[in-house]
Amino acid sequence: QSVLTQPPSASGTPGQRVTISCSGSRTNIGGNTVSWYQQLPGTAPKLLIYRNNQRPSGVPDRFSGSKSGTSASLAISGLQSEDEADYFCSAWDDNLGNVIFGGGTKVTVV
Amino acid sequence: EVQLVESGGGLVQPGGSLRLSCAASAFIFEDHAMHWVRQVPGKGLEWVSGISWNSGSMGYADSVKGRFTISRDNAKKSLYLQMNSLRTEDTAFYYCAKATEGAYNTGFGGLDVWGQGTTVTVSS
Repeated sequence: QSVLTQPPSASGTPGQRVTISCSGSRTNIGGNTVSWYQQLPGTAPKLLIYRNNQRPSGVPDRFSGSKSGTSASLAISGLQSEDEADYFCSAWDDNLGNVIFGGGTKVTVV
Repeated sequence: EVQLVESGGGLVQPGGSLRLSCAASAFIFEDHAMHWVRQVPGKGLEWVSGISWNSGSMGYADSVKGRFTISRDNAKKSLYLQMNSLRTEDTAFYYCAKATEGAYNTGFGGLDVWGQGTTVTVSS
């Protein structure tokens, strides 16, 4: 059971907007920043969003992040077939004293 | 190209030891905290350990505390993970990752560069 809760799956058709939620508590998301990672099959995770809503260079602006209270969200607009992947949220947890990850959300483009 | 390359994985018996290495290139290694993250194939990501830019502070997941030791050599631009008393549940793919900040804990912003990973299998 992950400390950060994500839906196990999400789906959309090409061009649609998909949103993935990440629910935590005041000791993690509530007091620290959130990052999001994309993991394509058979590859290492890739940073998509850091510090809640910042995109590293090279990440398309179709990907956006937001945070409110003890929850965060990743939105993928203009969904494309190459967006089929697992997505993980992450944050520091002050109580545990370590980095924590959500269980991951598998995005399918139908 | 900014790159992290892990090595040292393999098959080991329960109770055995392994030392993972991670070689960094094309970024100022000594400016950044570094972390180890593991993943059982088909499962989620699990943080294992982190170390600050100057080795002044480090932390471990409860599941590995007392058995694993993280270290770094800034002159060699390398990160290490000494794994002792290995258990079958330590079997996973191990990634090293670069933090966006110098501290591994305070102000954790994310992990912006990941290696390709190395496989650790603990089995008799």
